[in-house]
Amino acid sequence: DTGVSQNPRHKITKRGQNVTFRCDPISEHNRLYWYRQTLGQGPEFLTYFQNEAQLEKSRLLSDRFSAERPKGSFSTLEIQRTEQGDSAMYLCASSLALTRQAINEKLFFGSGTQLSVL
Amino acid sequence: DQQVKQNSPSLSVQEGRISILNCDYTNSMFDYFLWYKKYPAEGPTFLISISSIKDKNEDGRFTVFLNKSAKHLSLHIVPSQPGDSAVYFCAASWDSNYQLIWGAGTKLIIKP
Repeated sequence: DTGVSQNPRHKITKRGQNVTFRCDPISEHNRLYWYRQTLGQGPEFLTYFQNEAQLEKSRLLSDRFSAERPKGSFSTLEIQRTEQGDSAMYLCASSLALTRQAINEKLFFGSGTQLSVL
Repeated sequence: DQQVKQNSPSLSVQEGRISILNCDYTNSMFDYFLWYKKYPAEGPTFLISISSIKDKNEDGRFTVFLNKSAKHLSLHIVPSQPGDSAVYFCAASWDSNYQLIWGAGTKLIIKP
């Protein structure tokens, strides 16, 4: 078991460029989450997948952000036309939910992708 | 509007003593609470959780207490060890909702 893997670990980009991050969850996990964390704050929810279906998306999430999980395995998070305010740590987490109940299972996080927008 | 608050940015405790980390929340709909620990350059790691139907949950050196009337929970670590030095996050959720609401974290430093 290799845990949750995120690539790249670091990304530096210029304002206005598009970036894409990848997350490989623990293989048998059916739920996948994206969170964003800035310095001195806790993680902030972005979006959530149950298998390949994107079931919830934060109201705060700009239209420049899009996420996919095409085959219910790995996921990608794309940010278009990046802005300096997008600079943050982007965390992916996965979990195995055995019921339809909302989140009450523990999440397994990757080490994150640190994005710096210049 | 912060629904989950950890008012102590940092806490320093002597090795072997008890560490008490506090968390307050404002949303009475929260019914499930979790604590995560985070080391530098790593993602958060689940530590312990508690449902609102309980007021205490224990796992080895870690105990979480929930006071629903005060909207307050605390994490006790006894005895504290050097490896406990990390940032601790309190998080909360409620029925039919798939997102966790997180506090800002408390950095715990265990002094030898």
